[in-house]
Amino acid sequence: QKEVEQNSGPLSVPEGAIASLNCTYSDRGSQSFFWYRQYSGKSPELIMSIYSNGDKEDGRFTAQLNKASQYVSLLIRDSQPSDSATYLCAVLSVSGGYNKLIFGAGTRLAVHP
Amino acid sequence: GEEVAQTPKHLVRGEGQKAKLYCAPIKGHSYVFWYQQVLKNEFKFLISFQNENVFDETGMPKERFSAKCLPNSPCSLEIQATKLEDSAVYFCASSPSEDRRGQYFGPGTRLTVT
Repeated sequence: QKEVEQNSGPLSVPEGAIASLNCTYSDRGSQSFFWYRQYSGKSPELIMSIYSNGDKEDGRFTAQLNKASQYVSLLIRDSQPSDSATYLCAVLSVSGGYNKLIFGAGTRLAVHP
Repeated sequence: GEEVAQTPKHLVRGEGQKAKLYCAPIKGHSYVFWYQQVLKNEFKFLISFQNENVFDETGMPKERFSAKCLPNSPCSLEIQATKLEDSAVYFCASSPSEDRRGQYFGPGTRLTVT
């Protein structure tokens, strides 16, 4: 089992719809979770972080965390073609006192006009 | 600076040659991380630094990879005797002391080994 799992997609949604991206993780001790957006040929861009169970909203983005289910999600409201990218779920691993991001393989989102 | 800077943007090396990559973290960030991205989305952690000290090197293939972060100099990642499988994009990221605020990535260096 991979440490961080995401559906690779592509997830295709029409412009204006809600895009829902999901991620599960295996380390029950994980405390910090991040969503990065990566356009083709570019570097990952941090768009959301979440540490507590529940929802966290920032503009059109909402991150949701359920530690009991080891599940993180990202909702993008009013999806735009410019949101088309790969979305990477990352979990901060603090095992052994070290801190490093464990990435999922990413979900490719395609927003069509 | 306000962004992580990486040089060069592209690097081409023949198999067996040395490759050296550079990273300047965001000013004020204490932690520097190196990641390798192959096959578009597979990220692999290599090494991290807290200031000039190695913090975690559990991801480094030590026989050929080395890294440094010296005071008043860009951090560096060096690959001795490159192999074809080292072809990847190498990203540097930095974070403030409180790393729950996330890591911020540089533009990457694309290494092609021929």
